[in-house]
Amino acid sequence: KAGVTQTPRYLIKTRGQQVTLSCSPISGHRSVSWYQQTPGQGLQFLFEYFSETQRNKGNFPGRFSGRQFSNSRSEMNVSTLELGDSALYLCASSSALRTDSSGANVLTFGAGSRLTVL
Amino acid sequence: DAKTTQPNSMESNEEEPVHLPCNHSTISGTDYIHWYRQLPSQGPEYVIHGLTSNVNNRMASLAIAEDRKSSTLILHRATLRDAAVYYCILRGWSSGGSYIPTFGRGTSLIVHP
Repeated sequence: KAGVTQTPRYLIKTRGQQVTLSCSPISGHRSVSWYQQTPGQGLQFLFEYFSETQRNKGNFPGRFSGRQFSNSRSEMNVSTLELGDSALYLCASSSALRTDSSGANVLTFGAGSRLTVL
Repeated sequence: DAKTTQPNSMESNEEEPVHLPCNHSTISGTDYIHWYRQLPSQGPEYVIHGLTSNVNNRMASLAIAEDRKSSTLILHRATLRDAAVYYCILRGWSSGGSYIPTFGRGTSLIVHP
């Protein structure tokens, strides 16, 4: 079956602009989570959505937002881009069915969207 | 959130076993231990996970200390394709009612032919 698809794979923006990244999870997966990966900070959790509801949010400013649609596809948006937002943004989906069992669920990651802010 | 500590890098020869350690001394009783690896220009790939008991799958084995404060990923015979950054991740319960992952900095595994 198809894996997690992220678009676009690469993009360049300038400071002050906004960007929207898209993630299509594995068919049937209702949990989608987003991560930021930078050389300095490593992998950091941004937020997680389950059945269109944000369940958790990492320690990022309000400029970072996301949403999930009824078909489980998810988007994340970064407004007023800063140079430090340059990163690889990863999306992962899992087959979590119940919140109390999701710690055991495996994450399947997409290849990521590499954002460069100039 | 509980944190993990891993060595920055490790080296191995092809076809030899590799033991990748991870310390997670502040792990809670409901935290699952996951291992993922990441090849250049790719997203992380699942390797193995466990809660309390040692686990085996076709890719690797996971040895979990009795007090759960550390774990070791074991690659039984390293190949050149195993060269990657290996992440030890705790997926713990949060107040939001969901498990969220906490990432260490990862171990870069170098495999020599």
